[in-house]
Amino acid sequence: NAGVTQTPKFRILKIGQSMTLQCAQDMNHNYMYWYRQDPGMGLKLIYYSVGAGITDKGEVPNGYNVSRSTTEDFPLRLELAAPSQTSVYFCASGTGTSGGFETQYFGPGTRLLVL
Amino acid sequence: AQSVTQLDSQVPVFEEAPVELRCNYSSSVSVYLFWYVQYPNQGLQLLLKYLSGSTLVKGINGFEAEFNKSQTSFHLRKPSVHISDTAEYFCAVSGYGSNYKLTFGKGTLLTVNP
Repeated sequence: NAGVTQTPKFRILKIGQSMTLQCAQDMNHNYMYWYRQDPGMGLKLIYYSVGAGITDKGEVPNGYNVSRSTTEDFPLRLELAAPSQTSVYFCASGTGTSGGFETQYFGPGTRLLVL
Repeated sequence: AQSVTQLDSQVPVFEEAPVELRCNYSSSVSVYLFWYVQYPNQGLQLLLKYLSGSTLVKGINGFEAEFNKSQTSFHLRKPSVHISDTAEYFCAVSGYGSNYKLTFGKGTLLTVNP
């Protein structure tokens, strides 16, 4: 299993451009998450999904959009990139087991620089 | 809502010394607690987790943590660290009924010196 994969690894955007960060998992996990990591700030949840066709906002959703058409894929869309969106983005997935707990498995991250 | 406070942003130690990384949380509901580790330029890996039962939890690489409900703490310990333990460590909490969303602390950078 490849686990959670993310593309691209690194990208430079100009202010106002748009892009999609790709995330895929091959573990048949229902739950998927997008986080951003800023220096000294930990990780903040942007959006999450509990299954195909179901998404919801996290703590910092402004400026982002998501979709979940399949179990495997959970792309994050940035519209009108701003310097404040310079960050490292992590995608994660988890089972959301009926036992009431889960472990999240993280991808390697996408480093985004907006200039 | 939940919040996590990691009391030390940086912890330098010498190799083979013991270490404790501190974590306190607040929540209005019962929680699950996690410690994740991030090596340079990598994603996060789970070290250990507390779900219920025994308050002393053992994880990978010789780490352990103790859940203290009265003090709302979940401190991470290792009796003897190695150079390879140099990394950033994140404490995280997930509240019951929150769709397993994680709230992270700001992280503690552990630097192990020879």
